Amino acid sequence: DAKTTQPNSMESNEEEPVHLPCNHSTISGTDYIHWYRQLPSQGPEYVIHGLTSNVNNRMASLAIAEDRKSSTLILHRATLRDAAVYYCIRYGGSQGNLIFGKGTKLSVKP
Amino acid sequence: DTGVSQDPRHKITKRGQNVTFRCDPISEHNRLYWYRQTLGQGPEFLTYFQNEAQLEKSRLLSDRFSAERPKGSFSTLEIQRTEQGDSAMYLCASSLRRAGSPLHFGNGTRLTVT
Repeated sequence: DAKTTQPNSMESNEEEPVHLPCNHSTISGTDYIHWYRQLPSQGPEYVIHGLTSNVNNRMASLAIAEDRKSSTLILHRATLRDAAVYYCIRYGGSQGNLIFGKGTKLSVKP
Repeated sequence: DTGVSQDPRHKITKRGQNVTFRCDPISEHNRLYWYRQTLGQGPEFLTYFQNEAQLEKSRLLSDRFSAERPKGSFSTLEIQRTEQGDSAMYLCASSLRRAGSPLHFGNGTRLTVT
């Protein structure tokens, strides 16, 4: 049980921002929110993670709702190389492994 | 940081044969994970090690599967008496032990059982 809910697919236009939503309504206080993405024929790639506060890195931003029951991955300017499956995962500190769902398949149109 | 390395990238074998895959994690990472992924699905957890200790095994890891990490560095995953249902991408990942530390994945070994 992935314990997160994401849309199956989303579309974006190149150079526009993309907001990828994730619901994790049963998240516990010690669970981090991790995002990974996977391009065809490659392993998953770590994107970003956070606990309570919004986070920014060179790849993306993560906006976490105040009640932590949802989060949004923000790609500020989508490129064709951002077309991938994006996974949102709850990851508890004492938990040994990531549990992947089916993710959101992002398509980027030129 | 040379990343997580997996070998081979592709393996084709006949049903009933044994196969072994190798994973070299990022050197300072003490956790190492194995996942399996079939087409259209997210990766499924198989097992993970902290240093040389195998701490958790999924129910997916049948008796035909065995994983080792003898010196707490590289790891091997062996599948005995392969079946067609074992055809999948086998992914290795590593991380620091610190709570919430991200996993870094290799590009996997694609196994085809004919």
